[in-house]
Amino acid sequence: GAVVSQHPSWVICKSGTSVKIECRSLDFQATTMFWYRQFPKQSLMLMATSNEGSKATYEQGVEKDKFLINHASLTLSTLTVTSAHPEDSSFYICSARVDHFGPLHFGNGTRLTVT
Amino acid sequence: KNQVEQSPQSLIILEGKNCTLQCNYTVSPFSNLRWYKQDTGRGPVSLTIMTFSENTKSNGRYTATLDADTKQSSLHITASQLSDSASYICVVGSQGNTPLVFGKGTRLSVIA
Repeated sequence: GAVVSQHPSWVICKSGTSVKIECRSLDFQATTMFWYRQFPKQSLMLMATSNEGSKATYEQGVEKDKFLINHASLTLSTLTVTSAHPEDSSFYICSARVDHFGPLHFGNGTRLTVT
Repeated sequence: KNQVEQSPQSLIILEGKNCTLQCNYTVSPFSNLRWYKQDTGRGPVSLTIMTFSENTKSNGRYTATLDADTKQSSLHITASQLSDSASYICVVGSQGNTPLVFGKGTRLSVIA
């Protein structure tokens, strides 16, 4: 079945540094990938929709200059958290789908801790 | 406003028992409804997807129902197992390129 690989699975960084998270669709091409943030015991919150070859569409309240998304190929999207602060500590998850009606395939998430 | 409400918020059941989780939505125009299982610290995994014309779909011990008239869905888990302990998320898709709407999930705990 369709597999989405997310890397790293966890990362600890110092305040002010930047962190890049990769999301790869391993056995299918994904023209659209999604990035979510999830705080403890909360639901997934969509941050942005990433379209291959074009700019990402950010949800209201998500700073596009802080959360840089690059979708350079049909199998790879990256999320870079720039100048991370402790309040950015969260669980970040990506998902991808083959087409609009198909299931979303989720990565296993990246736990980011900013100290 | 497009919303997805799930109930109960959390549920504890004994191993071997059945349970039913509820999902009510106001998303319009409706396209599809999905149930996902999310283990703690992992990404969600798809259980079922239903479109407007489908009113039931099964995946092993999981059976989802959909009533598009009342805008309600349920996820029934039969003969629960300890490994069923997870959050179950209801997600509703609208037509076109509008974002999916996520429910807050039901946290299920199955105990021995």
